[in-house]
Amino acid sequence: QITLKESGPTLVKPTQTLTLTCTFSGFSLTTRGVGVGWIRQPPGKALEWLALIYWDDDKRYSPSLKNRLTISKDTSKNQVVLTMTNMDPVDTATYYCAHRTTAGAMDVWGQGTTVTVSS
Amino acid sequence: DIQMTQSPSTLSASIGDRVTITCRASQSISSWLAWYQQKPGKAPNLLIYKASTLESGVPSRFSGSGSGTEFTLTISSLQPDDFATYYCQQYNSFSPWTFGQGTKVEIK
Repeated sequence: QITLKESGPTLVKPTQTLTLTCTFSGFSLTTRGVGVGWIRQPPGKALEWLALIYWDDDKRYSPSLKNRLTISKDTSKNQVVLTMTNMDPVDTATYYCAHRTTAGAMDVWGQGTTVTVSS
Repeated sequence: DIQMTQSPSTLSASIGDRVTITCRASQSISSWLAWYQQKPGKAPNLLIYKASTLESGVPSRFSGSGSGTEFTLTISSLQPDDFATYYCQQYNSFSPWTFGQGTKVEIK
């Protein structure tokens, strides 16, 4: 059974860097075709895809946020880490990580973690 | 970037209705399209991938079709559990992934 869980601060100040960790089980991020993605959702708004890391360490980023995002993996710990620099109140959202299947879609999602950006 | 446009934004329907949601891509994505259902306060749930493949465990009243730039999600007979927001998402491996803006299915 695949599970993922997001962790990180619930409150960050403007200009600070956010670091979120996705801890997963039930799959290996060394298996060909597998990936872990990050998605966020501001309150009352649509889903926004942020970043994806593949089993071979290939990384993809949202063009609009590329300069602020870094995604990395630690296969020994079964973790994927997302950092977002220069946080702003508009970055207030629920942040999800999700498992990317070999077929390409995201079939299992974490419960999400809510991050508020406020001074 | 590939833009995904869903229509309608909101849909009012009754139990038993046939419901269709459309998603258009700004350029061809072949069949690299997924549909998700999201209920308030919950993570999205995968319904359909590769435009028309039903995810395991998803009721057969859900179906997807299309390729290239135009796609549809159909619920053949709307059930009480189906009132939710639905998102399409393209996952063309050569482009950043993007979601549609969502379609909220409400009770009429």
